[in-house]
Amino acid sequence: DGGITQSPKYLFRKEGQNVTLSCEQNLNHDAMYWYRQDPGQGLRLIYYSQIVNDFQKGDIAEGYSVSREKKESFPLTVTSAQKNPTAFYLCASSPRSRSGNTIYFGEGSWLTVV
Amino acid sequence: AQSVTQLGSHVSVSEGALVLLRCNYSSSVPPYLFWYVQYPNQGLQLLLKYTTGATLVKGINGFEAEFKKSETSFHLTKPSAHMSDAAEYFCAVSAPSGTSYGKLTFGQGTILTVHP
Repeated sequence: DGGITQSPKYLFRKEGQNVTLSCEQNLNHDAMYWYRQDPGQGLRLIYYSQIVNDFQKGDIAEGYSVSREKKESFPLTVTSAQKNPTAFYLCASSPRSRSGNTIYFGEGSWLTVV
Repeated sequence: AQSVTQLGSHVSVSEGALVLLRCNYSSSVPPYLFWYVQYPNQGLQLLLKYTTGATLVKGINGFEAEFKKSETSFHLTKPSAHMSDAAEYFCAVSAPSGTSYGKLTFGQGTILTVHP
C-alpha cells in the first residue's frame, strides 16, 4: 500500500542528545514536510522540501535539521539546541508544494525528553 | 500573513445531533481551505477542501463545509453525529500566491466529543 511511514513511533531522548526521526514515502510525491504538534497549539511547520537536495525553514526551524538526499526520504534531526523537544512530530507529503494540493500525513512519532 | 481561528477548543454533542465546528480565517488573498480529522495517536486525514468553484463542499463521513468570503468563515457541519466522529478536527489555510504558497497554516484544533 502507498503511504508515509514514520519511525520510530515512540522515542526517548536524554538531555544533550541528538535524535533522528525517519520519514519515508512511496507516493512518488515531490514535496515533503515536517510539522510539530503540541496540545492546544495546532500544527507548526518545521521544515519543508519541494525537491531533492533542497529544503526551506518553516516557522519553528531552530534546533532542527533535515536532509533530502532521496525523493522518498526526509529525515528530521532534533538537536540538543532544541530546548523543548517533547512533542508529537508529523511528516507529510504532497504531489508538489502547490496551494490547493492535498497534503498527506504519516502516523506521527512521539518524542519525549527524559 | 494568514491565520486560522477555530472557535471552541472543545465541542460536545449527543449522538444524532448536529455537529458544527467553527473556523474563521485571515488571508490577504482568497485562500484555499481544508478540514482535517485526527484520531488519538494518529496522523491527520483530509475530510474536505475548498479551492475554487462551488462554495459548499462535501467531504467524507457525511461532513460538509461552506466557504463564506464575506464572513471569512469555513465552518464544518454534519447533520447527525455518530460516536465514531469523536476526534480532533483541524481547519487549515494555504495561500494561492505569496510567501505562504503551498504551505498549510493550521488552527489550534477542536476536540469533538459525542455522547450516547
